[in-house]
Amino acid sequence: GNSVTQMEGPVTLSEEAFLTINCTYTATGYPSLFWYVQYPGEGLQLLLKATKADDKGSNKGFEATYRKETTSFHLEKGSVQVSDSAVYFCALSDQTGANNLFFGTGTRLTVIP
Amino acid sequence: NAGVTQTPKFQVLKTGQSMTLQCAQDMNHNSMYWYRQDPGMGLRLIYYSASEGTTDKGEVPNGYNVSRLNKREFSLRLESAAPSQTSVYFCASSGDGRKPYEQYFGPGTRLTVT
Repeated sequence: GNSVTQMEGPVTLSEEAFLTINCTYTATGYPSLFWYVQYPGEGLQLLLKATKADDKGSNKGFEATYRKETTSFHLEKGSVQVSDSAVYFCALSDQTGANNLFFGTGTRLTVIP
Repeated sequence: NAGVTQTPKFQVLKTGQSMTLQCAQDMNHNSMYWYRQDPGMGLRLIYYSASEGTTDKGEVPNGYNVSRLNKREFSLRLESAAPSQTSVYFCASSGDGRKPYEQYFGPGTRLTVT
């Protein structure tokens, strides 16, 4: 079956620190992989995606590389800002007709000045 | 272009009451979804609709019903609310021909059942 295992939080970092949030997956076939971000009081927004092995998704200074050999899609950012404080969700799409997403449990990031 | 809209934003129900959560999208997407979000559980799929006229159960469908009223609207009904249904509910849609696997989320409905 399909599942996503995500690093548990919460994670607290100082501004300008390096961020890594680990994500591994189990899937049948070749899923697309996503990171979504949820700011306080809001719905989820797509942060970045990768649709095939070795693809790198990037957006707003965040990056993640689709590693088929380790079934991983770790999120990284070189220098976090206070405005990056949010909950981050790793997800995979089973790419069936309904495009269902399977989410990890989420990692809460707090960045302190 | 409002994207995905949900009503209401907040709701408090007593055990046994019923209510319908409304969702609409203006992106001409084929697929729509209902999720619930609980602390430490991530998002779990309740029901989805791959296209107008079809609905299917997700991971946690018990206690809920859905209606795909037309291509734009997908409602979620709680017939007899229970405290275990206290959660934040998100509607989403997907089906942009250029980005078929991306889902777009509404702002959520925070439901409390006492």
